[in-house]
Amino acid sequence: DTGVSQDPRHKITKRGQNVTFRCDPISEHNRLYWYRQTLGQGPEFLTYFQNEAQLEKSRLLSDRFSAERPKGSFSTLEIQRTEQGDSAMYLCASSFSREVTEAFFGQGTRLTVV
Amino acid sequence: AQSVAQPEDQVNVAEGNPLTVKCTYSVSGNPYLFWYVQYPNRGLQFLLKYITGDNLVKGSYGFEAEFNKSQTSFHLKKPSALVSDSALYFCAVRVPNTGNQFYFGTGTSLTVIP
Repeated sequence: DTGVSQDPRHKITKRGQNVTFRCDPISEHNRLYWYRQTLGQGPEFLTYFQNEAQLEKSRLLSDRFSAERPKGSFSTLEIQRTEQGDSAMYLCASSFSREVTEAFFGQGTRLTVV
Repeated sequence: AQSVAQPEDQVNVAEGNPLTVKCTYSVSGNPYLFWYVQYPNRGLQFLLKYITGDNLVKGSYGFEAEFNKSQTSFHLKKPSALVSDSALYFCAVRVPNTGNQFYFGTGTSLTVIP
C-alpha cells in the first residue's frame, strides 16, 4: 500500500457544474477525513467517516457538498452547482480509530472553478 | 472552541543554523499535538506528535518539538537547518472526546538560505 490516493489531482470546471473527487485511504485505516485548504490557510475540516458511517458532517460548507463511503473503503466528495469560491485544494486523510494516531494525507485534488 | 496559532507566516534561517517554528494552542482539554510539513503541490506529511510523557519529542528528518503546558505551546525545532527543509509547516491539535478532527494552524513558510 503506497498511501492515501486521490483522483483527480487537478480539476477545472465551469461554474454551475457538479464535480466528484475520489479518495482511496490506506487499506488498514477505518477512519477517513476530508479537508479543504485555501491559499494561505491551514486545512479546514469538512467531514469524516468511521468505516462506512459518516459521523460528522455539520462542517460541510453547504448543502451543495456531500460525501459518501459506501463500503467503508474508498470515499467520494461531491460538490454540486460549483461556485468560484469552491476553488481550493481538497485533501483526504485516513487513520486508525485511536485518537492518538496521526492521520496520513493524500496529495489532494486542486479544484479550479472558472 | 479549539484553535491553533502559528504567529509567524514566514521564517527565514541560514543553512546550518538552528530553526524554530512556533505554535500555540487554545483548547478545552488536554490536547494531542502534531506537526506536519507540506512541500509544493504535495499533501501533508506527518513529522511528529506529542501524546503524553516527555515534553521533548523527536520526529522525522531530525526535527523535534517541545511541549510546554503552562505556555500552551508546541514549538518545532531543528538543531541545524538544511536547504531541503524549506517548506510549509503546520501545527495541529486533536482534543480527545471532542470529535475526531484535527484543528490546524495557518501554517509557517520556512525558507532555509544557502
